[in-house]
Amino acid sequence: DIVMTQSPLSLPVTPGEPASISCRSSQSLLHSNGYNYLDWYLQKPGQSPQLLIYMGSNRASGVPDRFSGSGSGTDFTLEINTVEAEDVGVYYCMQTLQSPRTFGGGTKVEIK
Amino acid sequence: QVQLQESGPGLVKPSETLSVTCTVSGGSISSYYWNWIRQSPGKGLEWIGYIYYSGSTNYNPSLKSRITILVDTSKNQFSLKLSSVTAADTAVYYCARLTPHKVGNVNYHTVDVWGQGTTVTVSS
Repeated sequence: DIVMTQSPLSLPVTPGEPASISCRSSQSLLHSNGYNYLDWYLQKPGQSPQLLIYMGSNRASGVPDRFSGSGSGTDFTLEINTVEAEDVGVYYCMQTLQSPRTFGGGTKVEIK
Repeated sequence: QVQLQESGPGLVKPSETLSVTCTVSGGSISSYYWNWIRQSPGKGLEWIGYIYYSGSTNYNPSLKSRITILVDTSKNQFSLKLSSVTAADTAVYYCARLTPHKVGNVNYHTVDVWGQGTTVTVSS
């Protein structure tokens, strides 16, 4: 299985400031079609995960443009350019290149 | 807007079979892939497997010997059975839909509709 590793485990943030989360995979997620097979999710407290970013850098429908995804191969980053209070929760990356799909361990974002 | 709702037993005894059903409302079960994903404190999020509306399946090899996923298109439902459960199977079980997203010439399927989850505890 492809192992997904996220850092940091916990990220205290200040509203209005930027935030960045890293996700690394044990194998390249770059498909032969040139796209990276990686998604980002946010699980808000008490809720199911919700899709933020798919294919490495495509924002899902309804996701604010303060969220952006970048990276290729084995190294990926989720950035929030201006954190808002509603962005608290646990962020997960998930690879979709190989079955079984596997998730990172999560990064908990909380307000300072 | 499609909604998913899990229903399950809440409590299952060790060595027994866990059964969870997902009811799809607000849309048809046809033409999509339907997933089971679980979340436990010990193992985080774990993809269990999926079924296409036609009945073809793809299971996580780590669970393959114990799981069966079925679909009932007449009821707009799909289900998960997990046999020989232990305490390690205690988790929140989510049903979810794979939705295709067109990017360039690629149809990329990702999980973007989730149920609210049902907690299943394995204990005697």
